[in-house]
Amino acid sequence: DTEVTQTPKHLVMGMTNKKSLKCEQHMGHRAMYWYKQKAKKPPELMFVYSYEKLSINESVPSRFSPECPNSSLLNLHLHALQPEDSALYLCASSHWTGKFFGPGTRLTVL
Amino acid sequence: GNSVTQMEGPVTLSEEAFLTINCTYTATGYPSLFWYVQYPGEGLQLLLKATKADDKGSNKGFEATYRKETTSFHLEKGSVQVSDSAVYFCALRGNYGQNFVFGPGTRLSVLP
Repeated sequence: DTEVTQTPKHLVMGMTNKKSLKCEQHMGHRAMYWYKQKAKKPPELMFVYSYEKLSINESVPSRFSPECPNSSLLNLHLHALQPEDSALYLCASSHWTGKFFGPGTRLTVL
Repeated sequence: GNSVTQMEGPVTLSEEAFLTINCTYTATGYPSLFWYVQYPGEGLQLLLKATKADDKGSNKGFEATYRKETTSFHLEKGSVQVSDSAVYFCALRGNYGQNFVFGPGTRLSVLP
C-alpha cells in the first residue's frame, strides 16, 4: 500500500459544529502532517507528528485539535470554525524517500 | 532561512510544445529537491526528486537536474499533453531535518 487516504472528501459545517477529518497510511512512515491549502497558494504546515507525538504546532488556533491514535492514523478535530477556515486540508506522511500527500478534504464553513 | 522561487504563471502552451518551469532555491548545506504536481480538485503528487548535486529526477516524461552551482532545479518536458494541465510546486527539504519549503506554484494550461 503506497498511498495516504483521507475522509471525508468534502465537508460542509456550520460555525457551531464539531467534526473530524481522518487520515490513514500503511507505508510504515513515522512522521505525519496536517497542511492547510487556500486557493492558488502552496500548502501551509499546521502540525507535525513524529513517532505519534506532536512535534510541531505552527501556531494554529485551538479550534483545530490534532490527534494521532496510532502510527497509521491521524485525525484533525474541528470545533467552532470560522468561514475563513474554509480550505483544502491535506494530510501527508514522510520517509527518507519523500513526502506523500493524501487527496485532501475540501472543507467549507458556513 | 531556506526558500524556493518559481517562475510566475500561468504558463499556457499548445499540445506537444516544450515545457520549462524555472525553480531556484536558497538553502544552507545540501537540501533535497522535489517537484510536486496538483491536478484540479486533487492533492499533491510527488512527481520527481533529487537528493544530491547533479542528480537527475525523472518521471512521466518530466525531468529536472539538481544544479548546485546555479542553485536551480528546473522542470522540463519535451512534449506536453492536455492532461499535464495542473499546478506544479517546487520544494526543498533541508539536510538538517528542517521541514519542507514550497515554492508558490506555477499553473500550467495546455491547449489542444
